[in-house]
Amino acid sequence: DAGVIQSPRHEVTEMGQEVTLRCKPISGHDYLFWYRQTMMRGLELLIYFNNNVPIDDSGMPEDRFSAKMPNASFSTLKIQPSEPRDSAVYFCASSPRTGARNTIYFGEGSWLTVV
Amino acid sequence: KNEVEQSPQNLTAQEGEFITINCSYSVGISALHWLQQHPGGGIVSLFMLSSGKKKHGRLIATINIQEKHSSLHITASHPRDSAVYICAVRYNDMRFGAGTRLTVKP
Repeated sequence: DAGVIQSPRHEVTEMGQEVTLRCKPISGHDYLFWYRQTMMRGLELLIYFNNNVPIDDSGMPEDRFSAKMPNASFSTLKIQPSEPRDSAVYFCASSPRTGARNTIYFGEGSWLTVV
Repeated sequence: KNEVEQSPQNLTAQEGEFITINCSYSVGISALHWLQQHPGGGIVSLFMLSSGKKKHGRLIATINIQEKHSSLHITASHPRDSAVYICAVRYNDMRFGAGTRLTVKP
């Protein structure tokens, strides 16, 4: 398996623009997670899905952030409008069926810079 | 107070030394993960623990549920072990420690 695939790997955008980050989880994994990593706050869980259903989005910073998982093989994290403080590395990860009892596989991250 | 505390924050060792990184948490958890993040940014999950001890090559992870404490040990450390090691606990969601930056010098 190719692992968790994220795109784009790097994005530089202007403040106010819409940003869409994409993730393809490992086939057969029922859990999908979106994380954000910054120097100031470290790693944070933004939202996670189980069987394409959002379970906990309490980590989503504000209404400018939204995440969808239209099917088992694809998820998006959208920021609209983007702000410089959204600059971070955004990781997508997936985990097999039993979730908490299994390891988590991370994508390589999407490095976002908002100027 | 962070619910997941790691120590030390930074650690420099000579090649071959035995390394210990500690993680303490304050909530009841269903699982604890040790993650490794290399300078390029990629994150790899090293271990998932809910009890006892796990070993993989030169890496050993232990957890004491009663004491809410876990340790990650690296035996015969090597420069390629240089990375940030992050403890993460699975609660209702996932909570992360701030990470331990390990540098192993040849």
